[in-house]
Amino acid sequence: LAKTTQPISMDSYEGQEVNITCSHNNIATNDYITWYQQFPSQGPRFIIQGYKTKVTNEVASLFIPADRKSSTLSLPRVSLSDTAVYYCLVGEAAGNKLTFGGGTRVLVKP
Amino acid sequence: GAVVSQHPSWVICKSGTSVKIECRSLDFQATTMFWYRQFPKQSLMLMATSNEGSKATYEQGVEKDKFLINHASLTLSTLTVTSAHPEDSSFYICSASGGIFNTEAFFGQGTRLTVV
Repeated sequence: LAKTTQPISMDSYEGQEVNITCSHNNIATNDYITWYQQFPSQGPRFIIQGYKTKVTNEVASLFIPADRKSSTLSLPRVSLSDTAVYYCLVGEAAGNKLTFGGGTRVLVKP
Repeated sequence: GAVVSQHPSWVICKSGTSVKIECRSLDFQATTMFWYRQFPKQSLMLMATSNEGSKATYEQGVEKDKFLINHASLTLSTLTVTSAHPEDSSFYICSASGGIFNTEAFFGQGTRLTVV
């Protein structure tokens, strides 16, 4: 399983865009990149998944360069409720054995 | 998305007793379920992978006789912490995937276990 590296923490303010970059230099051909959000004392919640280029849904965008050795989660116009830990995971879609790295603790300030 | 439900949300038990935690996929058939443990301020640590109808595969360092996992149906997996001790106190989380939801995993809300 490819290892991921993310910043430990990030601070932002309401209304700003937050970009979290994850490094996964050993990503395999069959691996997808998935991001999860976790609030205290709750299970992780799926945010977005991608394989290459750009993926966008109603809550976030995921940018993946051609070499796929990194990815960037973009959260547009964050609010206080976006304060959480964000995890980047890399692995095959089938079977979904997910190994969590340290995650990025995002604090959104008023 | 799919819904995965864990029960109970929290439990307090006495040292030496056993506790069972249930993980149910409510609207899809989960061929694979995973159990994680999370200590305060730490990331999730995978404990075991369970496939319906077969024995669970445990991660290195996880005692299979202490953490009994049963995945008897496509919608239910259980984790039993046997002879619990205070150091087993943690947040236990399950995830499930399968069927049309085979490209992403859905997580339960977690179970806070406190052993006193």
